[in-house]
Amino acid sequence: GQQLNQSPQSMFIQEGEDVSMNCTSSSIFNTWLWYKQDPGEGPVLLIALYKAGELTSNGRLTAQFGITRKDSFLNISASIPSDVGIYFCAGRGGAQKLVFGQGTRLTINP
Amino acid sequence: EAGVTQSPTHLIKTRGQQATLRCSPISGHTSVYWYQQALGLGLQFLLWYDEGEERNRGNFPPRFSGRQFPNYSSELNVNALELEDSALYLCASSLGFEGGVDIQYFGAGTRLSVL
Repeated sequence: GQQLNQSPQSMFIQEGEDVSMNCTSSSIFNTWLWYKQDPGEGPVLLIALYKAGELTSNGRLTAQFGITRKDSFLNISASIPSDVGIYFCAGRGGAQKLVFGQGTRLTINP
Repeated sequence: EAGVTQSPTHLIKTRGQQATLRCSPISGHTSVYWYQQALGLGLQFLLWYDEGEERNRGNFPPRFSGRQFPNYSSELNVNALELEDSALYLCASSLGFEGGVDIQYFGAGTRLSVL
């Protein structure tokens, strides 16, 4: 079945730094989604990508749908304390159900 | 527009008991998904319902079951609770494949504690 590998598993950064995380899949996807989960809450959709090569921004967040259709990247610029949380990628190929990555836990030191 | 709502927020049970968790999807959504998230880790897919039918099931024992009602709300039942069932149970809804893009929107979850 489809599998996603998300990295890094965790990040410890200073406030103001930029953040990069990525997901790679074992098969081709036609949709990539990025979610953020705050402690004790459900994941919230940040960015949705539908085309290979697509680059989409949402404020300080930028995500890209890889050309090979097997990967996606999320960048956060100038991190602030409220960026703390767990970030999940999710992807789907064909008629398969959505598959989630293992998550990247982001911790920010003020 | 109301989002995905889950009840109860917290549930405390003892080992061997049964737990019932409920989910109301976003209006117009026909697909409901259930996930288990233990210790703030990744989302483990449990069940997927669409139009009242079970479409897919994750790698969980049969004591995890559920159903979807005609109004598209859903129940997750966990029988013979074990300590390791303690987790945050998340429900998500989507328009389903008929909607073209399967974007899932999540509820805040039910925190199940098994003592």
